[in-house]
Amino acid sequence: EVQLVETGGGLIQPGGSLRLSCAVSGFTVSNKYMTWVRQAPGKGLEWVSLLYSGGSTYYADSVKGRFTISRDISKNTLYLQMNSLRAEDTALYYCATGPSDTLTGLHYWGQGTLVAVSS
Amino acid sequence: EIVLTQSPGTLSLSPGERATLSCRASQSVSRSRLAWYLQKPGQAPRLLIYDASSRATGIPDRFSGSGSGTDFTLTVSRLEPEDFAVYYCHQYGSSTWTFGQGTKVEVK
Repeated sequence: EVQLVETGGGLIQPGGSLRLSCAVSGFTVSNKYMTWVRQAPGKGLEWVSLLYSGGSTYYADSVKGRFTISRDISKNTLYLQMNSLRAEDTALYYCATGPSDTLTGLHYWGQGTLVAVSS
Repeated sequence: EIVLTQSPGTLSLSPGERATLSCRASQSVSRSRLAWYLQKPGQAPRLLIYDASSRATGIPDRFSGSGSGTDFTLTVSRLEPEDFAVYYCHQYGSSTWTFGQGTKVEVK
């Protein structure tokens, strides 16, 4: 059974850094495309970052240069390193993936981890 | 970046009625890589449709998707009580992905 569990959220001051983790089970993190999607309180979904099985990475313009997506195969975990955090980064962060390495949308989602950026 | 515009913003319907949701892209979505999700309060989104018209596992056949290029539609043939929620479209055909702003389907 595929499971995604996000951790690492919390309250952080503007300008600070945080690393989110997404522990996966039921598959190997390097075998599928993995993505981070966020949702600000009361707002819609916003795509954040994408990591393909081959290692290519992509970012939304709003986080480019500040966020880094990566994975640790030995821990079967996806990460999102977030630097220079801003108030507008406050959101529930989800990790999500598909059923294989072929792009077919986001079939599996975690429950999310909340990041609050405030002084 | 491909901008997805969903309409209407809110759809007020009664159970049993048909819902038609639109998603328009600012440029053509490659290979019709367009998905639809349903989200209820306090829950993660759930995939309904991928590749514009393929139903995800376990999704009832009252949900159907159509379209190509820049115009896509999600149809719910007969609304059940559990279908009242927010719906998002999502394109994954370009190097940077995007979501629409959402359509809320509410009980009339």
